[in-house]
Amino acid sequence: AQKITQTQPGMFVQEKEAVTLDCTYDTSDPSYGLFWYKQPSSGEMIFLIYQGSYDQQNATEGRYSLNFQKARKSANLVISASQLGDSAMYFCAMRDMNSGGGADGLTFGKGTHLIIQP
Amino acid sequence: ETGVTQTPRHLVMGMTNKKSLKCEQHLGHNAMYWYKQSAKKPLELMFVYSLEERVENNSVPSRFSPECPNSSHLFLHLHTLQPEDSALYLCASSLRRTGLAVNRWDTQYFGPGTRLTVL
Repeated sequence: AQKITQTQPGMFVQEKEAVTLDCTYDTSDPSYGLFWYKQPSSGEMIFLIYQGSYDQQNATEGRYSLNFQKARKSANLVISASQLGDSAMYFCAMRDMNSGGGADGLTFGKGTHLIIQP
Repeated sequence: ETGVTQTPRHLVMGMTNKKSLKCEQHLGHNAMYWYKQSAKKPLELMFVYSLEERVENNSVPSRFSPECPNSSHLFLHLHTLQPEDSALYLCASSLRRTGLAVNRWDTQYFGPGTRLTVL
């Protein structure tokens, strides 16, 4: 069964608009972490934001925030005031104590290709 | 240099060649990882090393052979690869804390990747 689901293969957004990228996850472990990464065309995976399962508040990092709805098992990334440089692939990933790759591995979704239009 | 570096950035090799990918981290981490990213597939974890000891081998074919001589360096030795092994190979590092609940200190930081083409 897929543990991380990103239902938006691609998105086109106008510059300066806010963007929400969807991510749902599946785990039975009470302790888990959710990570969002950005991958420009150059290939490097850039860490953006982290949300822990025990965190009481939604995570924020500059223009990035995470809409964490634990009961629905969703962790959507929100990018405010989008910029042309935000065009990239965005991956949601999870680590729990039973990750598919072992306790240390991250399980990744298939990603969303975000294109910001001027 | 800072962060996680990988060399080479691009590699083209024949099926009979032997080559190695190198990864170096400057973050003081004690765990390093190899991931494979193929077109249209999610990232796949290949190997995990913690304190130079391999702790995970995710059913990877033996034509991929990892080596971790110290906590800052990680290699992936390649031999007799197949065209389907063409992919982006990403190295990552993190702090590894066993037996503790997941928290932000478990964040993995990635290098720029090596784009491998097998002819």
